[in-house]
Amino acid sequence: QKEVEQNSGPLSVPEGAIASLNCTYSDRGSQSFFWYRQYSGKSPELIMFIYSNGDKEDGRFTAQLNKASQYVSLLIRDSQPSDSATYLCAVRSGSGGGADGLTFGKGTHLIIQP
Amino acid sequence: ETGVTQTPRHLVMGMTNKKSLKCEQHLGHNAMYWYKQSAKKPLELMFVYSLEERVENNSVPSRFSPECPNSSHLFLHLHTLQPEDSALYLCASSQGPGDQPQHFGDGTRLSIL
Repeated sequence: QKEVEQNSGPLSVPEGAIASLNCTYSDRGSQSFFWYRQYSGKSPELIMFIYSNGDKEDGRFTAQLNKASQYVSLLIRDSQPSDSATYLCAVRSGSGGGADGLTFGKGTHLIIQP
Repeated sequence: ETGVTQTPRHLVMGMTNKKSLKCEQHLGHNAMYWYKQSAKKPLELMFVYSLEERVENNSVPSRFSPECPNSSHLFLHLHTLQPEDSALYLCASSQGPGDQPQHFGDGTRLSIL
């Protein structure tokens, strides 16, 4: 049973601070990792993806991956009220040679306080 | 505009009705997916289609029947649904092979009376 675990929150962060979102996964064979943002009543929107150990930065967002610890995180710098949403961690366990479904966590509800 | 269009956006149906959900992707992708999102539960993968062939059926009840007539269109046919099937049904697409991300449509909010 593939599992992806996230703290459901809510995680409350002051505006301008760094928000840190964490995710662990159970399948050691997992190959690729995704962070989606979902506003209430909307569909998931891709924020970041990471395949290799280490950090990957894109604007205010940094994804961090540690395959040995089966841990992936998302950092949001200079948090804005518009960042308030549910952040979903998703893991793909297939080889990537074809189409593989994603296993999602329940999501972390992030609140940025003005 | 996400590049993945789902219709209808909302659907209310009785347990004896038959209806279909439609998904169309305009991204040139060759893989399409159906997911179910229920309250307080993670998104659950239902079906995967790659190059119009079903490659994964994630133990979904037979009252859900997918159809992929071409790489741009995906349907989910519904019949004799149960109240617990009320949920947000999301379609996604991606470009394979490789580890390309999946892009989601806006979903169909389904309510079973």
